[in-house]
Amino acid sequence: ETGVTQTPRHLVMGMTNKKSLKCEQHLGHNAMYWYKQSAKKPLELMFVYSLEERVENNSVPSRFSPECPNSSHLFLHLHTLQPEDSALYLCASSQHDRGGEAFFGQGTRLTVV
Amino acid sequence: AQSVTQLGSHVSVSEGALVLLRCNYSSSVPPYLFWYVQYPNQGLQLLLKYTTGATLVKGINGFEAEFKKSETSFHLTKPSAHMSDAAEYFCAVTHASGGSYIPTFGRGTSLIVHP
Repeated sequence: ETGVTQTPRHLVMGMTNKKSLKCEQHLGHNAMYWYKQSAKKPLELMFVYSLEERVENNSVPSRFSPECPNSSHLFLHLHTLQPEDSALYLCASSQHDRGGEAFFGQGTRLTVV
Repeated sequence: AQSVTQLGSHVSVSEGALVLLRCNYSSSVPPYLFWYVQYPNQGLQLLLKYTTGATLVKGINGFEAEFKKSETSFHLTKPSAHMSDAAEYFCAVTHASGGSYIPTFGRGTSLIVHP
């Protein structure tokens, strides 16, 4: 149990579907992140929320839409995805200082068909 | 800007042999450095971290890493590999962005352990 829970663990969706990934942390952290991990590629930072405000968005396509309603919850809303968006999506949280390591959820394995 | 380079996308060792995974960093300020491990279909788990103080850092599962400022390195070692150590290992450094400190990861090194 890492303290960061992601649901669902696996998701298969068509290119015209709309779905959402959920992340919840019970660690009292004030920063949360979405990463994309594709085969043969490095971890890609997608979004960062600190104190519930978005502080970084690394040029992610608009078909990915994050939402952070409070410091414990983070969502990634998906719509009209492409097959190349198939990947492991990882959520992480940390405390708002340099020494705070990131705690990761187990990820959502997304397959776009 | 800060960055991390992991030398070698794959490292293969025999069970019982020394494990050495290399990480070099680039940072304009004193870095905070981390090593994470990822098992198949799992998230990343912290192995160890260096913030300040002692440059030799001990982590879980018998791993340790030494911060060498003169070499801008933070290599991960373990004296004797076990089959259960087979996994993906990531080196990371934090960088500042908009008042927050965001981890930047290397490309990862896959550790293969042979019987």
